[in-house]
Amino acid sequence: QVKLGQSGAEVKKPGASVKVSCQVSGHTLNELSIHWVRQAPGKGLEWMGGFNPEDGGMIYSQKFQGRLTMTEGTSTNTGYMELSSLRSEDTAVYYCTTHIPYRSAWEWVFWGQGTLVSVSS
Amino acid sequence: EVLMTQSPATLSVSPGERVILSCRASRGVSSNLAWYQQKPGQAPRLLIYDAYTRATGIPGRFSGSGSGTEFTLTISRLQSEDFAVYYCQQYNNWPRTFGQGTKVEIK
Repeated sequence: QVKLGQSGAEVKKPGASVKVSCQVSGHTLNELSIHWVRQAPGKGLEWMGGFNPEDGGMIYSQKFQGRLTMTEGTSTNTGYMELSSLRSEDTAVYYCTTHIPYRSAWEWVFWGQGTLVSVSS
Repeated sequence: EVLMTQSPATLSVSPGERVILSCRASRGVSSNLAWYQQKPGQAPRLLIYDAYTRATGIPGRFSGSGSGTEFTLTISRLQSEDFAVYYCQQYNNWPRTFGQGTKVEIK
């Protein structure tokens, strides 16, 4: 069973950066493709980016190009999502998600509990 | 990017009724489509993947169909725990995109 544990809520000022972590337990990170999805208050789900097993690299939504960096710490079995130049529109709950190991990378069965990032001056 | 359009935006139904939710893709996504259920304050829950395959543990009253650009999620007999928001998502093209959601509420 895979479990995803995310870091706690953050309050940031416009222009700052935030780094959210997603600790994987039950399996190793290299067996999984972690993706990040966010949800603004009262709004729908938005895919941000994640690991692309087809080429072994990170792929990001163009909407966040230049502001978004996703990394993985294999020694800590943790994925990270860092978003810079924050603006008020980035206020959202950020989720990490992944699949059953050795199954399709697009069956997002496992989800973290979500991390609320609030951006306000 | 592939635009996913769900209809209706809100559905008011009574427990026990059959519910059909629609999802349309702006261009063909083959069968690379998933459905998620989300309740307030919770993370999404995968219901259906590959357009019609139920995820592990999902009750048989949930079924998916379609391919290409037109998809449906059917809940055969709505139960009280099914009142939630439902999202479709395509994983055929980058970026992965979600529909805007259909809220199923109590009539």
